[in-house]
Amino acid sequence: DGGITQSPKYLFRKEGQNVTLSCEQNLNHDAMYWYRQDPGQGLRLIYYSQIVNDFQKGDIAEGYSVSREKKESFPLTVTSAQKNPTAFYLCASSTQYQGTYNEQFFGPGTRLTVL
Amino acid sequence: GIQVEQSPPDLILQEGANSTLRCNFSDSVNNLQWFHQNPWGQLINLFYIPSGTKQNGRLSATTVATERYSLLYISSSQTTDSGVYFCARRSGPYNFNKFYFGSGTKLNVKP
Repeated sequence: DGGITQSPKYLFRKEGQNVTLSCEQNLNHDAMYWYRQDPGQGLRLIYYSQIVNDFQKGDIAEGYSVSREKKESFPLTVTSAQKNPTAFYLCASSTQYQGTYNEQFFGPGTRLTVL
Repeated sequence: GIQVEQSPPDLILQEGANSTLRCNFSDSVNNLQWFHQNPWGQLINLFYIPSGTKQNGRLSATTVATERYSLLYISSSQTTDSGVYFCARRSGPYNFNKFYFGSGTKLNVKP
């Protein structure tokens, strides 16, 4: 089955630690995204990547880093510089084609809690 | 920047009632999606609807791109319809892979 997987589902981190959230897709999509959602709030874009080895900052990139070495994978690292990292993190992917069909699909999310 | 506004922010319905959710955008749309976020946080794709009308069971959606809005209709609501509904549109044409989300409509369907 095609889809997007995220791991782990739940993650607990001590203050001062870096953690990496995994996102893998087998939809053959070029573009991938990371969003952050705080309780009762909407989605905010952290980073996105339109193609392998390229990525752009979203609206709240400070304290986060990403890599895109493979088309299928877009891991997100939450660094110790992120002041309030406790949140729900969603990964998504979409096709690349300008002016044509471009639908975004989401993974199940990772809940990160800083202890 | 591009604005996406959803209304109402909260909605409480009795099971069996109908409802209409609205999504307004600040410029012409070339891509619009509706999502349902279930209680476990998963975003489920409901409609990809840059223009026109689509129906899927009890749900239907209409986008009027020239007037910059989209509507999501839920008929004969069920408790499983509860959750948050988001609309999102793609930016473009120069940054066409960035999506903008509304703040959502939180729906609570009571038995």
